[in-house]
Amino acid sequence: DIQMTQSPSTLSASVGDRVTITCRASQSISSWLAWYQQKPGKAPKLLIYKASSLESGVPSRFSGSGSGTEFTLTISSLQPDDFATYYCQQYRAFGQGTKVEIK
Amino acid sequence: QLQLQESGPGLVKPSETLSLTCTVSGGSISSSSYYWGWIRQPPGKGLEWIGSIYYSGSTYYNPSLKSRVTISVDTSKNQFSLKLSSVTAADTAVYYCARYGVAHDAFDIWGQGTMVTVSS
Repeated sequence: DIQMTQSPSTLSASVGDRVTITCRASQSISSWLAWYQQKPGKAPKLLIYKASSLESGVPSRFSGSGSGTEFTLTISSLQPDDFATYYCQQYRAFGQGTKVEIK
Repeated sequence: QLQLQESGPGLVKPSETLSLTCTVSGGSISSSSYYWGWIRQPPGKGLEWIGSIYYSGSTYYNPSLKSRVTISVDTSKNQFSLKLSSVTAADTAVYYCARYGVAHDAFDIWGQGTMVTVSS
């Protein structure tokens, strides 16, 4: 089975910072990777699919890149609404999550 | 706009079977473009895929749960269901149903989630 590993587990940042989260797959998954944002008490929300495609309605400050086994989610300028936990996912496997906290 | 809503008991006794239903509204569960899945999240922990089903009835299960999981679909009611047998405290979690788009290769629409506690 494919395993997904995210880093870091926790990230402290300030409003306006550029933030990057990494996700690694245990074997090549081409570009079949999605990113989600989850806030406390809420369901996850799809941000990025197929590694780099922005879901409709998602702000353009979010972007995704990568292929094969290494992927990144970048928030170009962190906004107050972006403090949340982010997960990568390849069909049956989710990463363990990255919590973005206020510095 | 398509919406998903989970329903079922919030409390299940150890060794019994957890049963949840997801009702799809605002669209058809019989679309060829989507699968329908269950994902859970134990308190304070990450997301775990449980399994998925196609409207035709084809199922796909997490190998770690396969022996205890059954997912079924009722197209006449626009619903799909989850049964998890022989539950223990480790099965306590928020359970989400979600739509998996083939084109997106991602879960693009989620239910709000329902908390299920396993306790005597």
